[in-house]
Amino acid sequence: NAGVTQTPKFQVLKTGQSMTLQCAQDMNHEYMSWYRQDPGMGLRLIHYSVGAGITDQGEVPNGYNVSRSTTEDFPLRLLSAAPSQTSVYFCASSYGQGNYEQYFGPGTRLTVT
Amino acid sequence: ILNVEQSPQSLHVQEGDSTNFTCSFPSSNFYALHWYRWETAKSPEALFVMTLNGDEKKKGRISATLNTKEGYSYLYIKGSQPEDSATYLCAPPPHYGGSQGNLIFGKGTKLSVKP
Repeated sequence: NAGVTQTPKFQVLKTGQSMTLQCAQDMNHEYMSWYRQDPGMGLRLIHYSVGAGITDQGEVPNGYNVSRSTTEDFPLRLLSAAPSQTSVYFCASSYGQGNYEQYFGPGTRLTVT
Repeated sequence: ILNVEQSPQSLHVQEGDSTNFTCSFPSSNFYALHWYRWETAKSPEALFVMTLNGDEKKKGRISATLNTKEGYSYLYIKGSQPEDSATYLCAPPPHYGGSQGNLIFGKGTKLSVKP
């Protein structure tokens, strides 16, 4: 199993550009989440999904969209990038159904200039 | 969203020292507590999942205890080694049926172990 994969590993955007961060898992996990890591803030939950077709907002959802059309994939979209979205983004998945141990992807480092 | 507090924010110890840090959380509607270890430039990895009051879990030199009635968990590291340097995160999931069981993390305790 590849576990949780994320692409790209690094990305530089200009303010106002859009892009999609990709996340995929091959463990048949129901739950998937996106977090961002900022200095002094730890990991903050952006959006999450409890199954295909179901998504919801986390702590810091503004500026991000998600969709979950398949169990495997959970892309995160930045519609109009802002410098405040410069961060490291982690995707994670878990079995759900009472087992919430998170398996994390390797992260995407995004810089918005 | 649950309020999770971790203390101290950072800790510097010498190799061989034993150390411990705290995760505090609201004790109502407790479901489970997760501890994660997060090395710099890597992804967080699960250490323990604890569910019962009085639980004690151990992995090598690292152990954790849980008090659900008063809302805290301690993580202990015995005889710290430089490879223990990492940020240690705790996360109590909201009660199942409340917020669909995703994880909200504390800000972590950053441990640095000097050789």
